[in-house]
Amino acid sequence: DSGVTQTPKHLITATGQRVTLRCSPRSGDLSVYWYQQSLDQGLQFLIHYYNGEERAKGNILERFSAQQFPDLHSELNLSSLELGDSALYFCASSVELAENTGELFFGEGSRLTVL
Amino acid sequence: GQNIDQPTEMTATEGAIVQINCTYQTSGFNGLFWYQQHAGEAPTFLSYNVLDGLEEKGRFSSFLSRSKGYSYLLLKELQMKDSASYLCAIHGNNRLAFGKGNQVVVIP
Repeated sequence: DSGVTQTPKHLITATGQRVTLRCSPRSGDLSVYWYQQSLDQGLQFLIHYYNGEERAKGNILERFSAQQFPDLHSELNLSSLELGDSALYFCASSVELAENTGELFFGEGSRLTVL
Repeated sequence: GQNIDQPTEMTATEGAIVQINCTYQTSGFNGLFWYQQHAGEAPTFLSYNVLDGLEEKGRFSSFLSRSKGYSYLLLKELQMKDSASYLCAIHGNNRLAFGKGNQVVVIP
């Protein structure tokens, strides 16, 4: 158990719909990262938050948005869903000291299926 | 940005040694990570290199050459449970960018 909690574990929805994925980082971790992993693909970096502020954005679609709340949990919102959005979405957290990050601890992921 | 290249798949025998290479280009570098990922599961941390040289951790060792943009992960005394994807990741520019991973299949 990494200490990172993601909900829901599985989600099936239809094209055009909107979903919210939730992540609770490990106790004490200020950084949250979101990744998308499609079938047989690598982990694609979406976005990084540190203590409530956006730090870096990857190839995140405009239909996707995220935020980190004062209690440090984070949500990834996916809207106008398309078939190609079906993937495993991982959240990871870490302690960050200056420019160095500790190892990232990954949650078990949220598997999204868009029909 | 970051560009990370890893070979896609290799097969090795139980008990053998396997080396997984990673080459990268990046505009910002704070360190290189290796992660293991079994299919459908979360990646788990294996090793971290920030300075040139070899880091040893039990059956796993990782090497880094920053001037060459090159790293390798060495897996010794392979076990069946080592069948997994091995991901090289670069930390820089406020992100951890992963390569596509190298699938290692361990056979008896």
